[in-house]
Amino acid sequence: EAQVTQNPRYLITVTGKKLTVTCSQNMNHEYMSWYRQDPGLGLRQIYYSMNVEVTDKGDVPEGYKVSRKEKRNFPLILESPSPNQTSLYFCASRAQGPYGYTFGSGTRLTVV
Amino acid sequence: AQSVAQPEDQVNVAEGNPLTVKCTYSVSGNPYLFWYVQYPNRGLQFLLKYITGDNLVKGSYGFEAEFNKSQTSFHLKKPSALVSDSALYFCAVRDGYKLSFGAGTTVTVRA
Repeated sequence: EAQVTQNPRYLITVTGKKLTVTCSQNMNHEYMSWYRQDPGLGLRQIYYSMNVEVTDKGDVPEGYKVSRKEKRNFPLILESPSPNQTSLYFCASRAQGPYGYTFGSGTRLTVV
Repeated sequence: AQSVAQPEDQVNVAEGNPLTVKCTYSVSGNPYLFWYVQYPNRGLQFLLKYITGDNLVKGSYGFEAEFNKSQTSFHLKKPSALVSDSALYFCAVRDGYKLSFGAGTTVTVRA
């Protein structure tokens, strides 16, 4: 089944403790992206990647890092999480061309 | 810069009545427009898209959307709403690498 897989689904952590949210897609898509969803704000793009080793900042990149060492994987790294990063996070991928993104099931992160 | 506006936070309709969810957009070039739906505790599911061609686009679950270039709108419609259509709906516009979302509209369909 074609899908984007994120892990974990739920995560509670403490301020300052580094964490990584993994994302993997099995569709051989070139483009991958991370979004955060907050009430009343919709989804905002954190980072995106056009291909292996090519990434760029989205609208809200502060406090986040990403890497794209392999085409299928696009992990999101929070080096020192803070409570304002408590949110619902989505990874997404799409093929090159006039296509929309396929989204993962989401990761609900709580930073206390 | 591109942007999407969904002017209604909530839309309430009775089952069997027509459903419309409004969306307007701003983008510099030709827009790629999308509608997604999110059910509680679920990810976003693709409903339909407009890339080019016919202004009326048909999508999943009986939904359709009308692209209006002069009004820069892309309203989502369903002729007869179901209780199971109750969800959060997002309009999005893609310009290059970036997909920008509206704030979302919560649809409640009452039996």
